[in-house]
Formats: sequence, structure tokens, C-alpha cells
Amino acid sequence: EVQLVESGGGLVQPGRSLRLSCAASGFTFDDYAMHWVRQAPGKGLEWVSGISWNSGSTGYADSVKGRFTISRDNAKNSLYLQMNSLRAEDTALYYCAKGWAGVVIFPMHYWGQGTLVTVSS
Amino acid sequence: QSALTQPASVSGSPGQSITISCTGTSSDVGGYNYVSWYQQHPGKAPKLMIYDVSKRPSGVSNRFSGSKSGNTASLTISGLQAEDEADYYCSSYTSSSTWVFGGGTKLTVL
Repeated sequence: EVQLVESGGGLVQPGRSLRLSCAASGFTFDDYAMHWVRQAPGKGLEWVSGISWNSGSTGYADSVKGRFTISRDNAKNSLYLQMNSLRAEDTALYYCAKGWAGVVIFPMHYWGQGTLVTVSS
Repeated sequence: QSALTQPASVSGSPGQSITISCTGTSSDVGGYNYVSWYQQHPGKAPKLMIYDVSKRPSGVSNRFSGSKSGNTASLTISGLQAEDEADYYCSSYTSSSTWVFGGGTKLTVL
């Protein structure tokens, strides 16, 4: 059974940093691309970033480009999102999602339950 | 990276069919057959219902179907059931090598 467990969320002041993690199990992690998708309270889904199976290709939404960095450690079956220069508009539930295949062009298949990030002074 | 356009809400009675549209541009929906649809119940994570415009993942009911014409994709749910009441989101791969979602459609089963 695919399991994705996000962690690292919390309350953070504007301008500060936070690192999210996603622990994966139940599948061969290094065969699949991974994504981060967020959902602001009461709002819709927003794709944040994706990374290919071997970290050779990454992509970012314009809203986070230059501030967020996606990475993965295949030896630890883990996905990360380093978030710098956080803004109030980054407040959201952040989902980790397993891609359908090894590259980001394929859709998000399985999703975790999310970790909540609140940016506020 | 403008969001894809979906109707805010649709409704239907049990047993009926409904269709949700998703309009983009030639840089996303119209340019790729990488359109997906997600179902999200309140307080739950999204679930992939359709991928590659019209393919269903294993375990998804064949009451759900997808199609595309030009820059507009559509999700059709036939034989509407109470448990289909949820939010539905379309998404598409884009020419910027990113993904974009629609604003979401709330389906109400009357």
C-alpha cells in the first residue's frame, strides 16, 4: 500500500524558512517522480513543484520560483521542500504526491494527507 | 501560469449524468494529452480519477469518463450517486514544464 506522510509544517513568521519532508513507503521510491501541491484554506489546488526520479529534472510554479527548492533522497525514500522567504500567501496545506511514472510530465497519482504551513507574525 | 477555467458548481439528481468543463489554452490543455481530473471530498486528499485525458486508474468506476476538444477538456459522470458529491479539479501539463490546476467545481447531488 502506498503511504506518503508529510511533516515539518507549522507556524512561521514572514520572511523565515521552513523545510517540509515526505516519507514514502509501499512502492519503489526511486522509480517515480514526486510532487508538492498546496491548498490554501478554503481554496483550490495549486501545483508547487515536481522532481523526476533521479533528481535530473525539477519544475516550479512561478509563485515559488527562486524561493522554494525541491529535493529527494532515494536512499531514505524521502522528498523535501525547502521554503525560504515565506509570505502570508504561502499559508496552505502542503500535499506530497507520487507521480504516475518517473518524470514530471506524468500526473500525480497518490497523495498524502498534507502538512499545514501557516505564515503569520 | 493562469489557472484553468472550471464552472464553480454543477448539480444533478441521482442517476443523471453531468459534465464538468475545463478550459485552458494551446499552451496547456490544447497542446498536450496530459489532462487529469481529481476528486476531493471535504477534509480528504485528492484522488486521481482520470489521466491522459480519458484513461481511468485501476479501481475508478467506469461511470467516470474524460474527453478533450481543442483547448477544453471535460469530465462526465454518468449514473450520478450520492457519494459522487465532492469537489473536482482538472489539471494539465504546460509548455513551461509545469502543471496547472483548474479552480475547482463543486458537484452537488440533489
